[in-house]
Amino acid sequence: GNSVTQMEGPVTLSEEAFLTINCTYTATGYPSLFWYVQYPGEGLQLLLKATKADDKGSNKGFEATYRKETTSFHLEKGSVQVSDSAVYFCALSAGGTSYGKLTFGQGTILTVHP
Amino acid sequence: SAVISQKPSRDICQRGTSLTIQCQVDSQVTMMFWYRQQPGQSLTLIATANQGSEATYESGFVIDKFPISRPNLTFSTLTVSNMSPEDSSIYLCSVLTSSKLFFGSGTQLSVL
Repeated sequence: GNSVTQMEGPVTLSEEAFLTINCTYTATGYPSLFWYVQYPGEGLQLLLKATKADDKGSNKGFEATYRKETTSFHLEKGSVQVSDSAVYFCALSAGGTSYGKLTFGQGTILTVHP
Repeated sequence: SAVISQKPSRDICQRGTSLTIQCQVDSQVTMMFWYRQQPGQSLTLIATANQGSEATYESGFVIDKFPISRPNLTFSTLTVSNMSPEDSSIYLCSVLTSSKLFFGSGTQLSVL
């Protein structure tokens, strides 16, 4: 079956530091890949997505590239802010009629200090 | 986008009782889903709520424990039946629209 593995957290960084959160997946076919973010006290929000190999999703300074050869979708940001403190989830969808059915990674807690 | 209203936002329940969670969307959507987020864990899909037919459950989830209704294209309910402490989780409604999946703010359930 499908699975998503994220780097274990929590991750603690100083403001303006570089962020990488690793995500690898196992899936048959050509899944779509997502990063969701959950800010304190709020619901899950889509951060970015990529639907095919070599696509780069980007939003709010975050980027992730769909690497089929390494089955990875690592999240990066060049300079984090305190407001980026949240839980980040990597997820995949098998596509087709299963497009809305997401398989999530375990989540990574990010804390950014001033 | 879609605005999802989920009620209640939290509840504390006694074991053996049942709780019904409501999910209201501000537009008509074909596909609605229910997820569970157990403490310290990731999200797991419970079922797909199909309008006009029975819900489709994922492995490990059954209708007797998690009955779902979907009377129209903007509303769904999930009932957690005969609750035990192991059911303490956050339950989330989500909808698929414009090729994007939107989530409600969740219902935090604690079972004593």
